[in-house]
Amino acid sequence: ILNVEQSPQSLHVQEGDSTNFTCSFPSSNFYALHWYRWETAKSPEALFVMTLNGDEKKKGRISATLNTKEGYSYLYIKGSQPEDSATYLCALEEYGNKLVFGAGTILRVKS
Amino acid sequence: GAVVSQHPSRVICKSGTSVKIECRSLDFQATTMFWYRQFPKQSLMLMATSNEGSKATYEQGVEKDKFLINHASLTLSTLTVTSAHPEDSSFYICSASRQVISETQYFGPGTRLLVL
Repeated sequence: ILNVEQSPQSLHVQEGDSTNFTCSFPSSNFYALHWYRWETAKSPEALFVMTLNGDEKKKGRISATLNTKEGYSYLYIKGSQPEDSATYLCALEEYGNKLVFGAGTILRVKS
Repeated sequence: GAVVSQHPSRVICKSGTSVKIECRSLDFQATTMFWYRQFPKQSLMLMATSNEGSKATYEQGVEKDKFLINHASLTLSTLTVTSAHPEDSSFYICSASRQVISETQYFGPGTRLLVL
């Protein structure tokens, strides 16, 4: 059974700060790693799907890296804005497209 | 991007009643839909996988007779919580995919169920 840990649980930053959080996992036995952003009362929004060791993906001010050998993925946000406030979820994809989620990192950006 | 709707967004019911939650993929055909549940301060946990035209596959510990899943078309899956009890109060959320490995799953906005 895959175990997905996310840290920190929550983060408060000032507008303009850059920030990053971690998704860690003990095994590389999965098909892909997914990052989602989840704003209150909305659907989780897909950010990235990463499959290969060394993968780096970028979408605007947000980027992510994957290291399957050491068992972690980082999500970076450059120049945080209040609209970045959300819960960021990491999930590992098992056989059958099943997702195993971490508990998430809650980000609050103060203006 | 692909859109998944879910209804109702919130439901309050009396203990012993059944509640049906609908999950629809609005602009694509979903070969597979997934149902998750989230209890307070916990992760989203997969309950079952629903494939169009076949029986759902339930995760360990999820009672199939209590959580009835129907996936009658490529755009609609329903979850019925039968004889709901207060311990079934939770946040239920669905996702849809085209069942391609490493492809994004698209989520609905979720349903908050409160059983009194």
